[in-house]
Amino acid sequence: AQKVTQAQTEISVVEKEDVTLDCVYETRDTTYYLFWYKQPPSGELVFLIRRNSFDEQNEISGRYSWNFQKSTSSFNFTITASQVVDSAVYFCALSEPNRDDKIIFGKGTRLHILP
Amino acid sequence: EAQVTQNPRYLITVTGKKLTVTCSQNMNHEYMSWYRQDPGLGLRQIYYSMNVEVTDKGDVPEGYKVSRKEKRNFPLILESPSPNQTSLYFCASSPQTASGANVLTFGAGSRLTVL
Repeated sequence: AQKVTQAQTEISVVEKEDVTLDCVYETRDTTYYLFWYKQPPSGELVFLIRRNSFDEQNEISGRYSWNFQKSTSSFNFTITASQVVDSAVYFCALSEPNRDDKIIFGKGTRLHILP
Repeated sequence: EAQVTQNPRYLITVTGKKLTVTCSQNMNHEYMSWYRQDPGLGLRQIYYSMNVEVTDKGDVPEGYKVSRKEKRNFPLILESPSPNQTSLYFCASSPQTASGANVLTFGAGSRLTVL
């Protein structure tokens, strides 16, 4: 069955520290997509990244990086040199094209960056 | 501006009084979906639609109805709201790509309180 687990409910770090948000997924399909979305305090949901199951290359975008490991079914998100503006709820999500493109979200990790 | 528009953004109503939350997108997207967000439960899918006149149940469809008569609109109907439907609701849309790698564009959210 599809499942996305974000075991960290809430994390607090001091500004400029690095922080990693964990995401573990379950799927029986060989083709699938993983996503991260950000929900800042203003409430909107913003797309950050999409990864397909055939591309295990890590990705870096500025202070953000993503580590996709099929061997451990994980798609972790690291923020380097965190800033107060990174404070948000972060959602990991899984989509399987063979299941009507149903997108399953994890429960989210609330990240507090303390000044 | 490409966007998903939800109305109302905030609503307080009473048990049993029918209400409709409208959702409209201007991106010609085939796929539309409704989610509810509750503390500790993340985002859960209520209903989704892969195209006009095609709708399917998500994970928590009880107490809700939807319709997709036009491509741009996907209203969420609560025929007889109950307090357990107090929640933050998000409408989302995406293009229906052949690969299924749908990046969702979300509306701003509708906060509903049922007394």
